[in-house]
Amino acid sequence: EAQVTQNPRYLITVTGKKLTVTCSQNMNHEYMSWYRQDPGLGLRQIYYSMNVEVTDKGDVPEGYKVSRKEKRNFPLILESPSPNQTSLYFCASSLQGVDYNEQFFGPGTRLTVL
Amino acid sequence: GENVEQHPSTLSVQEGDSAVIKCTYSDSASNYFPWYKQELGKRPQLIIDIRSNVGEKKDQRIAVTLNKTAKHFSLHITETQPEDSAVYFCAATLGWALTFGSGTRLQVQP
Repeated sequence: EAQVTQNPRYLITVTGKKLTVTCSQNMNHEYMSWYRQDPGLGLRQIYYSMNVEVTDKGDVPEGYKVSRKEKRNFPLILESPSPNQTSLYFCASSLQGVDYNEQFFGPGTRLTVL
Repeated sequence: GENVEQHPSTLSVQEGDSAVIKCTYSDSASNYFPWYKQELGKRPQLIIDIRSNVGEKKDQRIAVTLNKTAKHFSLHITETQPEDSAVYFCAATLGWALTFGSGTRLQVQP
């Protein structure tokens, strides 16, 4: 089944404890991206990757890191999480870029930072 | 970067009525405008999109219009049904980035 998967789906952690949210797609998509969703603010792009080893900042990159060592995986790293990073996170992928390309979203990861 | 504004934030209609959601964007270089629907507890899914060289696109009860001069695009849902109840997001692309509006919660009252 063609899909985007994320792990974990739910995570409660404490301030400063490094964490990684994994994202994987099995559709051979070139483009992958991370978003955070907060009430009243919609979906905001954190980072995106046009291809392996090519990444760029979105609108809200502060406090996050990403890497794209393999085409199928695009992990999101929070080196020192803070309470303002409590949010619902979505990974998405598309065949090539964002123009004229449907974004396929993962199921989401709800993160709480205490 | 791009800035997308979406209105209204909430919309309540009676079943069978029409619903209209409006978005504006800031950068005239944006050239692709998708709309996503997010049901409660689910992931966003694409429902319709429009390219900058097209003024209107229709898919059954859903239509999108684009006014490039005004940098304005809208989603129209006709003959609304309870299953249309969801949060709808407009978006605009600029280069490799995708910027979403803040969302509209549509409630269709039976």
